[in-house]
Amino acid sequence: NAGVTQTPKFRVLKTGQSMTLLCAQDMNHEYMYWYRQDPGMGLRLIHYSVGEGTTAKGEVPDGYNVSRLKKQNFLLGLESAAPSQTSVYFCASSRDGNYGYTFGSGTRLTVV
Amino acid sequence: KQEVTQIPAALSVPEGENLVLNCSFTDSAIYNLQWFRQDPGKGLTSLLLIQSSQREQTSGRLNASLDKSSGRSTLYIAASQPGDSATYLCAVDRRDSNYQLIWGAGTKLIIKP
Repeated sequence: NAGVTQTPKFRVLKTGQSMTLLCAQDMNHEYMYWYRQDPGMGLRLIHYSVGEGTTAKGEVPDGYNVSRLKKQNFLLGLESAAPSQTSVYFCASSRDGNYGYTFGSGTRLTVV
Repeated sequence: KQEVTQIPAALSVPEGENLVLNCSFTDSAIYNLQWFRQDPGKGLTSLLLIQSSQREQTSGRLNASLDKSSGRSTLYIAASQPGDSATYLCAVDRRDSNYQLIWGAGTKLIIKP
C-alpha cells in the first residue's frame, strides 16, 4: 500500500542515549517533514526537506538532526535524548509543498 | 505571529446530530486552511483544503467554510455517526519561506451511539 511508513512505532530511551527514527515514502514526493505532537498543543515542525540531499530547520529543531540521502527516506536523529523530547513524532510527505499531505502513523517516544 | 485556536478542546454529541467545529486564526494573510482528522494511534488524514480565495469546500457530509476577515473557519458535519469520532485539527498555510503549517491543538469529537 502506498503511503508513509515510520519505524519504530514505540521506543523508550534513557536520558543521553541516541536513536534514529526512519521515515519512508513510496509516492515519489519531493517534500518531507518531521513533526512532534505534544498534549494540548498543535503539531510543531522540527525539520523538513524539499528534495533529496536538502534539509532545513523548522520551528523546534534544537536537539534533532536529519538527513535525506535518498528521496524516499527522511531520517530524524536524536544525539543525546532528553526528557523534554518525550513526544509523538510524525513524518509526512507532500507532492508540492503544503498541499496534499500524507502522514505516517507516528512514533511514540518516551525518554526517562 | 500567526496563532491557531480550536475551541472546544472536546465535544460529545448523540449520533445523528449536525455539529460545527471551530477554528480561529489571528493573521488573515493566509494562503489556505486545511482540516485534518486524527484517529488514536494513527496518523493524520487530510479532509478538506480551502484556498484563501474560496469561501467553502464540501466532501460528502463535511463542509468547511472560511472567513478570512474574521479569522475563522468552521467544519460542519452532517448527520454524525460513531465512526466520526476522532480528533479534528485545522492548520493554516502562510506560504512563507519555510513551508510551515501553523496548527491548532484540535477538537476531540465523541459521537455517542
